[in-house]
Amino acid sequence: DAKTTQPPSMDCAEGRAANLPCNHSTISGNEYVYWYRQIHSQGPQYIIHGLKNNETNEMASLIITEDRKSSTLILPHATLRDTAVYYCIVRALQGGSEKLVFGKGTKLTVNP
Amino acid sequence: SAVISQKPSRDICQRGTSLTIQCQVDSQVTMMFWYRQQPGQSLTLIATANQGSEATYESGFVIDKFPISRPNLTFSTLTVSNMSPEDSSIYLCSVEVQGPSTDTQYFGPGTRLTVL
Repeated sequence: DAKTTQPPSMDCAEGRAANLPCNHSTISGNEYVYWYRQIHSQGPQYIIHGLKNNETNEMASLIITEDRKSSTLILPHATLRDTAVYYCIVRALQGGSEKLVFGKGTKLTVNP
Repeated sequence: SAVISQKPSRDICQRGTSLTIQCQVDSQVTMMFWYRQQPGQSLTLIATANQGSEATYESGFVIDKFPISRPNLTFSTLTVSNMSPEDSSIYLCSVEVQGPSTDTQYFGPGTRLTVL
């Protein structure tokens, strides 16, 4: 089972920031938080990941709370092309690879 | 990152037949994965394929139904055998790329399979 909880859907106005929350209250100390998105029936696209520090790249920012029990993915200026299902996944790496367990994600709709 | 291609991109097949899906990556990778996404559902891992060893299947998936080959570090195939309409899904391969701190999985575009 997925170890994260996300709202099933969210709406955002084009040009505004989209803030997608994720709860992972049982996260372990060696587990990273990964975010992917899937635009209608395409393969999931990697967005960003983090352990405990906030992270930013060209696509998004990831804010992780100090207790690491929740995080927020921020798309600073949402566009219509950001409409997708966003998946938050926690994953441990212990000298090898751990599988990604996908939950149901958040369906983000960016409105004009 | 990695650039991953899959063939075919889509197919319509008759029940009882088999389809082999190919996954090609532009760099050498150790770990490759195959996922299934049934209509309206999230992704489910079928198996992990390491080069030079047998694939490791997740609960509910068996080698006779989903045989996997991994002949080298850039290529893998998944066969969906003796298909039924319940096998209609998107099949996705992914690869793991080592990064400076952690590893990241990147996904191919998927193969949309419809079984009649």
